[in-house]
Amino acid sequence: DIQMTQSPSSLSASVGDSVTITCRASQSITTYLNWYQQKPGKAPKLLIYAATTLQSGVPSRFSGSGSETDFTLTISNLQPEDFATYSCQQSHTIPWTFGQGTKLDIK
Amino acid sequence: QVQLQESGPGLVKPSQTLSVTCTVSGGSISSGGYYWSWIRQHPGKGLEWIGHIFYSGNTYYNPSLKTRVTISVDTSKNQFSLRLSSVAAADTAMYYCARRAGYNYGYALDVWGQGTTVIVSS
Repeated sequence: DIQMTQSPSSLSASVGDSVTITCRASQSITTYLNWYQQKPGKAPKLLIYAATTLQSGVPSRFSGSGSETDFTLTISNLQPEDFATYSCQQSHTIPWTFGQGTKLDIK
Repeated sequence: QVQLQESGPGLVKPSQTLSVTCTVSGGSISSGGYYWSWIRQHPGKGLEWIGHIFYSGNTYYNPSLKTRVTISVDTSKNQFSLRLSSVAAADTAMYYCARRAGYNYGYALDVWGQGTTVIVSS
């Protein structure tokens, strides 16, 4: 299985800050990397697919980059509704696998 | 727009079979281009992909669960279902159904149900 490792596991930030979350794959997944946001008690929501493409309706303060094994999710100008858990997922090879999640909370 | 809704028993006894159904509304499960997926999340943990099915019945499963999992589709009811046999406490989790988009969307999971909690306990 392809292992997906996110860092950090948690981070604290303030409204208006910019944050970056990293996701590393154990082998090349080209750009088959997706990012999800999950709030407590809710289902995950797709933010970015194919490493860099913003899902329809997602604010432009979210952006993704990377390829092969190293990927980042950047959130600029954090808003109160952005405090949540973020997970990456590879859709290159079955079984699909997810990162362990990064919990972003308010400082 | 397409919406997904899980339904399930909530509580299953150890060694029995867990059955959860996902009802698709706002679109046809047979429209093609999509696979219909099951994902679970253990309490306080990350997400685990269980498997997915095409409307024709073609399936892919996570090898870690393959011997116990069956995913089926009922196009007449616009539903797909998950059966997990010989359950144990380790199968206690939130079970989500989701739609897997096509190549142009990186095969991402673009629509999710709200999830259904399944507890395995005697």
